[in-house]
Amino acid sequence: GQQLNQSPQSMFIQEGEDVSMNCTSSSIFNTWLWYKQDPGEGPVLLIALYKAGELTSNGRLTAQFGITRKDSFLNISASIPSDVGIYFCAGRRTGANNLFFGTGTRLTVIP
Amino acid sequence: DAGVIQSPRHEVTEMGQEVTLRCKPISGHNSLFWYRQTMMRGLELLIYFNNNVPIDDSGMPEDRFSAKMPNASFSTLKIQPSEPRDSAVYFCASRGGPEAFFGQGTRLTVV
Repeated sequence: GQQLNQSPQSMFIQEGEDVSMNCTSSSIFNTWLWYKQDPGEGPVLLIALYKAGELTSNGRLTAQFGITRKDSFLNISASIPSDVGIYFCAGRRTGANNLFFGTGTRLTVIP
Repeated sequence: DAGVIQSPRHEVTEMGQEVTLRCKPISGHNSLFWYRQTMMRGLELLIYFNNNVPIDDSGMPEDRFSAKMPNASFSTLKIQPSEPRDSAVYFCASRGGPEAFFGQGTRLTVV
């Protein structure tokens, strides 16, 4: 099935640094979701976006729904060790029930 | 709410054996999804149900895979006969609104 292009694939950053990752699609989506997966666990929803241009924050996390409706961005400010994990974007097309997932960004935070 | 519940958490089986994975979605959710996650292919949608009816099973890799949802609170994914290349983490997710919520997954190892 379709997958979203997510970048970067992996990141190694120092604790305290900010992080940016993005997701692009060839299709227009009406919903963008960002998930985090810890080792041995299922993905956990972080932020949901429903409108083009929407900017939503959840603590140190901020995500934006691109105005073209074909991309989304996730920023993490002042990273901490517990931010380590794999971050997935997911999108849903208008009228569709299923989610398409990005390939994930593996984040490593160096204390 | 207990969230999406999957069992077993881990399964080790011999090649050729039948494997059954189980999922209890969040109460009130009307959509259920089965995903497979591997290092090589990331998160792949296998099949999803809407109101207990299979809507799209195009992601099911082979006839050895089958899924059922006999009622709104239970679904199974069966592999018969299992093969080593089926080794992966299998996730169930449910959705009642725009967002999908995942279980903790079943790690399947076929030896």
